Amino acid sequence: DAKTTQPNSMESNEEEPVHLPCNHSTISGTDYIHWYRQLPSQGPEYVIHGLTSNVNNRMASLAIAEDRKSSTLILHRATLRDAAVYYCILRGNTGNQFYFGTGTSLTVIP
Amino acid sequence: NAGVMQNPRHLVRRRGQEARLRCSPMKGHSHVYWYRQLPEEGLKFMVYLQKENIIDESGMPKERFSAEFPKEGPSILRIQQVVRGDSAAYFCASSPVAGGSDTQYFGPGTRLTVL
Repeated sequence: DAKTTQPNSMESNEEEPVHLPCNHSTISGTDYIHWYRQLPSQGPEYVIHGLTSNVNNRMASLAIAEDRKSSTLILHRATLRDAAVYYCILRGNTGNQFYFGTGTSLTVIP
Repeated sequence: NAGVMQNPRHLVRRRGQEARLRCSPMKGHSHVYWYRQLPEEGLKFMVYLQKENIIDESGMPKERFSAEFPKEGPSILRIQQVVRGDSAAYFCASSPVAGGSDTQYFGPGTRLTVL
């Protein structure tokens, strides 16, 4: 599985949108882009995933660049409960694991 | 549908003892993954199992660590003769299929402390 690059930390004010970037310049054509988050003292939680087109679900939106070398996770209105480490992960059809990397630690300011 | 269950949630062992960590995947899931998370680090893959088979154990230390996923019952991660460096959170995940678009569902983890 190809690797990803994320900022170590970001801050956001409560109820404002948050854009979490991820670079994956070595992505292959069959790699899916997954986002998970991990709240303190908990297991990772699935957020969203996509292949080529932008995706929306009840938790977030995923914007994928046209060349697929980067993507952005969008939380439309940050809440205090969104404070977590967010991991951007590439997953190919032949890989058996997720490579988590170091993720982005999101702090939400009241 | 209950989520992935892990027990115990906290486990304390003295150096040289054995640790057994259990994982019950979500109903209908036949793929199980184990990850280890050291303090202040990201999760690191250890092993991937399907019912009764180890598919990929490339992330598991060659000595003292073993994993199984029997036909009946939970998956077990076993650590023999634990050392202080084994202190970590161990997470189990399960999925119904394996592939690029599969979603892994994680349990709450077992926090192992070796005294």
